[in-house]
Amino acid sequence: DAMVIQNPRYQVTQFGKPVTLSCSQTLNHNVMYWYQQKSSQAPKLLFHYYDKDFNNEADTPDNFQSRRPNTSFCFLDIRSPGLGDAAMYLCATSRRTSGGAWNEQFFGPGTRLTVL
Amino acid sequence: AQTVTQSQPEMSVQEAETVTLSCTYDTSESDYYLFWYKQPPSRQMILVIRQEAYKQQNATENRFSVNFQKAAKSFSLKISDSQLGDAAMYFCAYRSGGFKTIFGAGTRLFVKA
Repeated sequence: DAMVIQNPRYQVTQFGKPVTLSCSQTLNHNVMYWYQQKSSQAPKLLFHYYDKDFNNEADTPDNFQSRRPNTSFCFLDIRSPGLGDAAMYLCATSRRTSGGAWNEQFFGPGTRLTVL
Repeated sequence: AQTVTQSQPEMSVQEAETVTLSCTYDTSESDYYLFWYKQPPSRQMILVIRQEAYKQQNATENRFSVNFQKAAKSFSLKISDSQLGDAAMYFCAYRSGGFKTIFGAGTRLFVKA
C-alpha cells in the first residue's frame, strides 16, 4: 500500500544534542510537510517542500531545518533541541497537479520526540 | 487571516447514536477546501471527509456527512450510528489556494458502549 513512513516512531535525545527525524513516501507526491504537534493541540506547520522549493513558516525557529534529497524522502533536523521541542512530529504529503488542483494531505504515524 | 474554531473540546456519544461536531471558520476567500481529519489514540491522522466550497451539495462518506453553510461559514460533521472505533480527536481544517492547511483546536470524541 502506498503510504507515508516515519522513522523512528520514538526518539529520545539530550538537551542540545542534534537529532534528525526522517520521512519517506511511496505516494509520489510533490509536496511534503513537517508539523509539530504538542499534546492535545492542533498540528503546527513548520515548513514544506513543493518539489525542491523549500518554504519556511515565519514563526518556525531557526533551530529547525529540513532537507529533501529526492521526491521520496524528507528530513527534519533539530540542531539544538530544547525541552520545549518535545512533541510529536508529523510528516504529511499531498499532490498538486499542473492545473493547480489540490488533493488532501496524507499523514505519517508521527515521531514522538522526548528531550531529556 | 483565516481562522478555524472548534468550540467543543470534548464530546460524548452512545454507541449507535448520532453526534454532530461543530466547526466555524473565517475567511475572505471564495474558493477553498474544508476537511475533517480523525486522529485516533495511535496518532495517525486520516482524512474523514472533504468539501469544496464551490459545491453546494454536502459531502457524504458512509456514516459521515457534513452540513456546509457557506454564508454562515459553518462546517459541522455528523457521525451516524457511532461505533467504538470512532473515538478519536477530530480536527476541522481549512485550505485555500496556498499550501497551508489551518487546523482547528480539535474535538475529542468519546464513544460509550
